[in-house]
Amino acid sequence: EVQILETGGGLVKPGGSLRLSCATSGFNFNDYFMNWVRQAPGKGLEWVAQIRNKNYNYATYYAESLEGRVTISRDDSKSSVYLQVSSLRAEDTAIYYCTVGRRYFDYWGQGVMVTVSS
Amino acid sequence: DVVMTQTPVSLSVSLGGQVSISCRSSQSLVHNNGNTYLSWYLQKPGQSPQLLIYKVSNRFSGISDRFSGSGSGTDFTLKISRVEPDDLGVYYCGQGTQYPHTFGAGTKLELK
Repeated sequence: EVQILETGGGLVKPGGSLRLSCATSGFNFNDYFMNWVRQAPGKGLEWVAQIRNKNYNYATYYAESLEGRVTISRDDSKSSVYLQVSSLRAEDTAIYYCTVGRRYFDYWGQGVMVTVSS
Repeated sequence: DVVMTQTPVSLSVSLGGQVSISCRSSQSLVHNNGNTYLSWYLQKPGQSPQLLIYKVSNRFSGISDRFSGSGSGTDFTLKISRVEPDDLGVYYCGQGTQYPHTFGAGTKLELK
């Protein structure tokens, strides 16, 4: 059974930073591309970032709206993926989902809430 | 960026009925490799989204055949037949042909 667990969310002041973690199990992590997708309260889905696997040199892709403020990374030995977000703004307030997939998202975690407020 | 436009915004249906949701993309979703990366997701109340359909018409593992996807190029449709209570929620289409991956704004399916 595929399991995806995001952690690291919480309340952060504007301008602050945080690192989200996503631990996975139940599938061959090394074979898959991983993503972060976010959802602001009451809003739709927004793809944030993707990291490819070793076969694709761990290439990364980012949403333009966040580029320069986010870094996605992975640790294949821990079947985990991370999202570092800096210079946080109120509009970054959202549930951040860790997802599996290259061109569509097969599996989703339960999400972690990030609230940016003073 | 590819803009995904879903219609309608909301939909009321009776249990056992059939509904269709439309999704149009601002550019063709045909990839250079010949595949079309249009997918559909359902987000039930209080839950994470789940994949229903990928590459236009392929049902994901465990998804009922009451869900069917069709379309090509820029025009796509999700049909749900014999609607059940567990089908209620918000449906999103998404494209993975180009970066950034983008989603439609969602269609809320409610009971009539």
